[in-house]
Amino acid sequence: DGGITQSPKYLFRKEGQNVTLSCEQNLNHDAMYWYRQDPGQGLRLIYYSQIVNDFQKGDIAEGYSVSREKKESFPLTVTSAQKNPTAFYLCASSSPGDDEQYFGPGTRLTVT
Amino acid sequence: GENVEQHPSTLSVQEGDSAVIKCTYSDSASNYFPWYKQELGKGPQLIIDIRSNVGEKKDQRIAVTLNKTAKHFSLHITETQPEDSAVYFCAASNAFTGGGNKLTFGTGTQLKVEL
Repeated sequence: DGGITQSPKYLFRKEGQNVTLSCEQNLNHDAMYWYRQDPGQGLRLIYYSQIVNDFQKGDIAEGYSVSREKKESFPLTVTSAQKNPTAFYLCASSSPGDDEQYFGPGTRLTVT
Repeated sequence: GENVEQHPSTLSVQEGDSAVIKCTYSDSASNYFPWYKQELGKGPQLIIDIRSNVGEKKDQRIAVTLNKTAKHFSLHITETQPEDSAVYFCAASNAFTGGGNKLTFGTGTQLKVEL
């Protein structure tokens, strides 16, 4: 059963702690993306990766970091430098020559 | 960079009526325009898309129109049903050099289909 998985669905952290969100895909897609969604707003691009061992900043990369050591995995770390980390985080992937991005179910992060 | 505006932010229709959501974009280089449906607590799902070389596309009760000159595109849902209730997002896309593409999203429309 192919698709994108994100875990956990809900995540709670104390302010000042780093937290890593998981994203795994078995679609054999080269490109992967991280978006942030806030209430009443569209999705905003945090980071993207076009190929293993390479990634680029999106529009709101400050306070976040990523790695792409495997084609299937693109974890996102929300660092303590991110001033407003509470949000719904969505991971997506796409294949070469296909504009469609497939989204995972999301992780809702709450930082108090 | 690209800017996408979406209207209305909320839309309430009676079951069986039509719903129309409109988006405008700013970058004439954008060439792919998907529409996503997002149900509460879930990730967005693609429902229909259109490329810049096409003016209209239809899939059963859903259609999308694109006016490149005016830089706007619209989603039309006919014979609405309660299960159409969700948040709908439009997006405009530019390809990245080297693969992949950047989606710039509108702010979403909360559609409610009332019985």
